[in-house]
Amino acid sequence: AQTVTQSQPEMSVQEAETVTLSCTYDTSESDYYLFWYKQPPSRQMILVIRQEAYKQQNATENRFSVNFQKAAKSFSLKISDSQLGDAAMYFCASSGNYGGSQGNLIFGKGTKLSVKP
Amino acid sequence: GAVVSQHPSWVICKSGTSVKIECRSLDFQATTMFWYRQFPKQSLMLMATSNEGSKATYEQGVEKDKFLINHASLTLSTLTVTSAHPEDSSFYICSASFTGLQYFGPGTRLTVT
Repeated sequence: AQTVTQSQPEMSVQEAETVTLSCTYDTSESDYYLFWYKQPPSRQMILVIRQEAYKQQNATENRFSVNFQKAAKSFSLKISDSQLGDAAMYFCASSGNYGGSQGNLIFGKGTKLSVKP
Repeated sequence: GAVVSQHPSWVICKSGTSVKIECRSLDFQATTMFWYRQFPKQSLMLMATSNEGSKATYEQGVEKDKFLINHASLTLSTLTVTSAHPEDSSFYICSASFTGLQYFGPGTRLTVT
């Protein structure tokens, strides 16, 4: 079974500042992926970043980076130089990795990020 | 690339009627598609996994006779909500697998009156 926990229902950050969103997970999969998705008011799910569990190096995508602590089952998202367009609901998610194919996604409850100008 | 569309984007139906939601992969073929439901201010919950040419696999607690899923081609999966009730009002999102990743459609808002 897989569970994903986001303990911060809401977060706020000043424009241009840095914010970190927390996520912990549990999984019985031997190999798995971890994700952060962004859902703006349009409700379109947008992939922010993906981490393959077997890779020790933390994934980065421009201003977005993760801190993946496999032993602690922790997967936090850091957003640097926050922009007004970053305001959205952020979901942490996990899935099994089946030979490079992504299995069912299990989502956390989400963190609503507000960005103050 | 890897664009997924849903139709309609918003539908209102009367209680007791059925409504069909389409999910299409526009520029790729998807052997596997997923259907999620999202209630207001909540997370996405997987309803079922559909594989082209075979029966869908439903998650525990999802009524397969109420939520009919058909994946008749590599670019189209449909979700039919039968005998809809107000409690079925929700946001339904599909995703399609391509090169190992899931790509999401824009969602369909269903309102049952």
